[in-house]
Amino acid sequence: QQQVKQSPQSLIVQKGGIPIINCAYENTAFDYFPWYQQFPGKGPALLIAIRPDVSEKKEGRFTISFNKSAKQFSLHIMDSQPGDSATYFCAASETGNQFYFGTGTSLTVIP
Amino acid sequence: DTAVSQTPKYLVTQMGNDKSIKCEQNLGHDTMYWYKQDSKKFLKIMFSYNNKELIINETVPNRFSPKSPDKAHLNLHINSLELGDSAVYFCASTLRGGFGELFFGEGSRLTVL
Repeated sequence: QQQVKQSPQSLIVQKGGIPIINCAYENTAFDYFPWYQQFPGKGPALLIAIRPDVSEKKEGRFTISFNKSAKQFSLHIMDSQPGDSATYFCAASETGNQFYFGTGTSLTVIP
Repeated sequence: DTAVSQTPKYLVTQMGNDKSIKCEQNLGHDTMYWYKQDSKKFLKIMFSYNNKELIINETVPNRFSPKSPDKAHLNLHINSLELGDSAVYFCASTLRGGFGELFFGEGSRLTVL
């Protein structure tokens, strides 16, 4: 049973475009929603995270939108660059407990 | 100074062999994990230890045996390796009850021939 559902599986955008990756969850006990970025040959690294008491969080060109009632959250990458090409994972957890990951989105940004 | 370090980075071995992967974290975390990432990039949790105690043990063949000698170390031993064990294995750590950030190692790529 997939606790966190992620889409799309892959995404190709032109440089400067705004890729959007979506995730949905069922467990209302989740209180921490991070996004991880993984480059080939590297481990996933925390990109940005949000808690359910806010609806949006921005860090540089990366924004998380969070809809608590719909149990959905999404990652937007503004002014995407070729260097953003990576695999992105959403995740959810109850703070300090098990992390549940989405299935990943492979993003390619074409110069 | 590497926060979560895994050794070895690459492992190539024959079916039926036994191999181990070691992990160490210097972040002062109390919870460590092993994840398996297959060719489709899916991150599947295998085990979790909190202060040397096993707290998560997903449906993993008992050929896989984790061991945590102290809260900074978590090792993974695999017996009788099979072709399907080929994957990248990631160690990760976090502070339970803290801000929740999970730090990953760089992975150990296991290839079983």
